[in-house]
Amino acid sequence: AQTVTQSQPEMSVQEAETVTLSCTYDTSESDYYLFWYKQPPSRQMILVIRQEAYKQQNATENRFSVNFQKAAKSFSLKISDSQLGDAAMYFCAYFWGGSEKLVFGKGTKLTVNP
Amino acid sequence: DAGVIQSPRHEVTEMGQEVTLRCKPISGHNSLFWYRQTMMRGLELLIYFNNNVPIDDSGMPEDRFSAKMPNASFSTLKIQPSEPRDSAVYFCASSSGNSNYGYTFGSGTRLTVV
Repeated sequence: AQTVTQSQPEMSVQEAETVTLSCTYDTSESDYYLFWYKQPPSRQMILVIRQEAYKQQNATENRFSVNFQKAAKSFSLKISDSQLGDAAMYFCAYFWGGSEKLVFGKGTKLTVNP
Repeated sequence: DAGVIQSPRHEVTEMGQEVTLRCKPISGHNSLFWYRQTMMRGLELLIYFNNNVPIDDSGMPEDRFSAKMPNASFSTLKIQPSEPRDSAVYFCASSSGNSNYGYTFGSGTRLTVV
């Protein structure tokens, strides 16, 4: 079964600085998709960024970018110029079309210090 | 579109009572998912439907849990009888035919069983 591991239960960053959240996953598939979701205190799950495994180019969305290392099965999220509104739980997730299931890691709680 | 709509937002009930959680997916989305979020276990997929048909209910914890999707615009998750260990946040999510673009989540229902 596919698994997703986030090894950092908590992280903190100073406002305006850069932080990287780690994620590794286990799969025997070659064609799959990876996601980062943000869950602020409001509880809403918000899609931050998406990566297609067959694309070598790392996805970017404004201040958010990923470092996708397929061979290492690693998918880290970099947040640049951190803002107070970035404080949230961040979940890494894996999707494979053969199962139609989105599998989540346990999450990383990010604190942004002013 | 108003997004995925869940009700109620909060529910407090006594042990042994029946609880029904409700979800309205995004119009046009043909897949619907129920997740449970707890501190200990993170986000767990309970069941998912495709075109109103239950496809995989392997995540449903036990027979006290049941889910239905009588039409494309409505789904329920029922717990009968409820127990304190059922206390959690329950999310509903939906997706179009291309789930590889991720799911859209509702705001969740926080269930407390006392």
